[in-house]
Amino acid sequence: AQTVTQSQPEMSVQEAETVTLSCTYDTSESDYYLFWYKQPPSRQMILVIRQEAYKQQNATENRFSVNFQKAAKSFSLKISDSQLGDAAMYFCAYRRRGTSYGKLTFGQGTILTVHP
Amino acid sequence: DAGVTQSPTHLIKTRGQHVTLRCSPISGHKSVSWYQQVLGQGPQFIFQYYEKEERGRGNFPDRFSARQFPNYSSELNVNALLLGDSALYLCASSVNGDHGYTFGSGTRLTVV
Repeated sequence: AQTVTQSQPEMSVQEAETVTLSCTYDTSESDYYLFWYKQPPSRQMILVIRQEAYKQQNATENRFSVNFQKAAKSFSLKISDSQLGDAAMYFCAYRRRGTSYGKLTFGQGTILTVHP
Repeated sequence: DAGVTQSPTHLIKTRGQHVTLRCSPISGHKSVSWYQQVLGQGPQFIFQYYEKEERGRGNFPDRFSARQFPNYSSELNVNALLLGDSALYLCASSVNGDHGYTFGSGTRLTVV
């Protein structure tokens, strides 16, 4: 069974600074997807960034980038130039590739606080 | 474009009662998944439906059931509610899960 672990229950950052959220996972599969989702107090899960395991290049989306280390089964999220609107709960998630369906396995989440 | 819509947004039920939660996926999305999120934790997978067939079931008791209709909307049913069923229930849809899932804002269920 796949597991996803986020070892940082809470993180904080000053506005305009950079913060990195950690995620490790365990799987015996070789082909899969990894995601970071953001959940603000409004409750809706918002997809932040997606990484395909067969791609060595780290994904980037504007101020968000990942450091994907497949051998170490590590998938961290870096937020640059942090903004007040980045404050939320962040979840790392895993999905096996190969079907048009398939569950997401989530980590426990990291609460990110952004200080002005 | 309308996103994933869930109804109701909030619900209070008594132990032992039955509840039905509803989800309308984004137009064109054939896959619908349900997740339970207990306060302060990550979502836990309950069910997945694709093309109106159950494609996956999480580790939940038989009191939980679901179905997907011809228009791809979905219902989650929970019988004999327990206090521990109090949670945020999230619905997610996708065209192809490879590109991630779009979530609704959830139904907050409180069992008293």
